[in-house]
This record gives sequence, structure tokens and C-alpha cells, in this order.
Amino acid sequence: AQTVTQSQPEMSVQEAETVTLSCTYDTSESNYYLFWYKQPPSRQMILVIRQEAYKQQNATENRFSVNFQKAAKSFSLKISDSQLGDTAMYFCAFMKPAAGGTSYGKLTFGQGTILTVHP
Amino acid sequence: DGGITQSPKYLFRKEGQNVTLSCEQNLNHDAMYWYRQDPGQGLRLIYYSQIVNDFQKGDIAEGYSVSREKKESFPLTVTSAQKNPTAFYLCASTTFRAPKNTEAFFGQGTRLTVV
Repeated sequence: AQTVTQSQPEMSVQEAETVTLSCTYDTSESNYYLFWYKQPPSRQMILVIRQEAYKQQNATENRFSVNFQKAAKSFSLKISDSQLGDTAMYFCAFMKPAAGGTSYGKLTFGQGTILTVHP
Repeated sequence: DGGITQSPKYLFRKEGQNVTLSCEQNLNHDAMYWYRQDPGQGLRLIYYSQIVNDFQKGDIAEGYSVSREKKESFPLTVTSAQKNPTAFYLCASTTFRAPKNTEAFFGQGTRLTVV
């Protein structure tokens, strides 16, 4: 079974600065996907960024980037130029392909990190 | 616009009662999922269904039941056997069709409180 660990229950950052959220995971799979989801106070889950394990290049989406270290099973999220709207709970999540490759979707989540951006 | 609708947004249950949470999607997605969210524990998978009339237990299925009679609908019943049902419940869906088959869409959730 997979496990995902986020060791930072809460983080804070000043507006316009950079913050990094940590995530480690454990799996015996060689092919899988990793995600960061954002859950703002509205509680709507929003996909921030996705990383495919077989791709060595780190994923980036505008101000969001990851540092994916497959051997270390580490997947951190860097938020640059933090904005007040980035205040949210952030979840790291793991997805493995189901047998036969036709059915994805089951996610294993970490405990979450509450990020507060201060003006 | 396509999406996932969960209802109600807030639900109150007396001890010993069964309650059903609704989840409907118009994304033509194949698979649907129910997650439970508790403070400090992230989201945990309750049940999932990859095809109509079939579903599988997730990590915390005890005290819950589901049905999948239609592709669009995946209701969750919280039974009286669930000892600590107060939580936030999220429904999600995914398609089997690449390249979008790794992206999960979530509803806005139902907050269930036992009174």
C-alpha cells in the first residue's frame, strides 16, 4: 500500500515571497503520478500540479513548481511570488495506474499543510 | 458547464439514523469515488466505482454503503453502524480516456454532523 506524508501541518509566508511545502511518499510501484491539490476556505479541491513518475523533468505551472526526487521518494511544491489567494490547505497525493492501465483515479492523500499568506 | 454536484451542502443526523449523500456528475466520467476528510488526516477513500452496477471498498468502508445504478450518480449512505460519522465528505470522478485519465474532478462536499 502507498503512504503519503506531509510533515508540515502549518506554514506561513509573506506576500511576494517563496515558500516550499514538503511531501514524502512510499511505494513499490515504478510508474505512478503525484499531485498537489489546493483546498481554499470554500473547500473546493483544485488541482495545482501533476508529475508523472517516469518523467525526470520537474513539472511547472506558472508560479508553482515541484522538486521531484524519485529515488528519495520526495515531492515538494514551491510557490513563488506568493499571493493572498494562495492561502489554503495543500494536499500531496499519489495515484497508481490500475492493472491493465485502463482505470486510474484512486488517490492516496497526505495529511495536508495549511498555508497562510500574510500581506 | 460540466461538473459534479453534491447535495446537501450541510446535513445533520441523529444518532441511529441512516442518511444518504447525493453525488451527480454530467462529465460522462466512468469512475466515481467517495472520500472522507477529517482534520489532520487528509482525505481517505471510502468506496469507488469504475462501472455501473459495480463498486469496491476503499480503505474505510465500514459503516458505509453505495450504489451505482446510473453512470451519472453515486450516492453514499452513512449507516448507523458508522461510529463516528461527523466529517466532510467529498465525491470525485475520473474518465478512462487518455490523456485526461489521471485528473480527478471533485464536488464541493457535504458536511455531515451527528446531533
